[in-house]
Amino acid sequence: DAGVTQSPTHLIKTRGQQVTLRCSPKSGHDTVSWYQQALGQGPQFIFQYYEEEERQRGNFPDRFSGHQFPNYSSELNVNALLLGDSALYLCASSFRGEDYEQYFGPGTRLTVT
Amino acid sequence: QKEVEQNSGPLSVPEGAIASLNCTYSDRGSQSFFWYRQYSGKSPELIMSIYSNGDKEDGRFTAQLNKASQYVSLLIRDSQPSDSATYLCAVNMLSGGSYIPTFGRGTSLIVHP
Repeated sequence: DAGVTQSPTHLIKTRGQQVTLRCSPKSGHDTVSWYQQALGQGPQFIFQYYEEEERQRGNFPDRFSGHQFPNYSSELNVNALLLGDSALYLCASSFRGEDYEQYFGPGTRLTVT
Repeated sequence: QKEVEQNSGPLSVPEGAIASLNCTYSDRGSQSFFWYRQYSGKSPELIMSIYSNGDKEDGRFTAQLNKASQYVSLLIRDSQPSDSATYLCAVNMLSGGSYIPTFGRGTSLIVHP
């Protein structure tokens, strides 16, 4: 039973660039949520995708966008990278939306220089 | 602003003792509560979910919920050095008509032999 997978594991980008992170949910799950975790902080909710639509969104600017594909996998795109975007980006999957237990992937460590 | 509060610790307990981790939340309407364990450099791992007032036990872990006091806790019995990690409390909180997963900053637990 495959768990949540994310790629890449690590990424280094320059301020102003754009980045795309990818996530495949756990087998049987159809909902993907994205989180940003800064060092020493809890994960902060970015948005959630279900049925290929953004269902909920946290307090993040429009520079953060996403997509969900028919196979339930998802991408997180961040435009015009800022130094403050450096963080661990986590993907979590669940079944049928917001109120269910979420399972996290290993994360993508993004460093913006 | 809706918040989830946790004591950052570290909480230090001897091997074999009971570790008690606490969490308070600001949204009285919250219905779903979760505890995650996060080892250093790793992603969060779901330990337990709880939805109703009272206790829920799973092996050495017991989650306790008191919605009137807006308080949720996690007890770890017979603590082991392998339990040393950061424990994250997460609450689904109503925001803009949807429930948004909101994490606390986590409590660092150290179990010493």
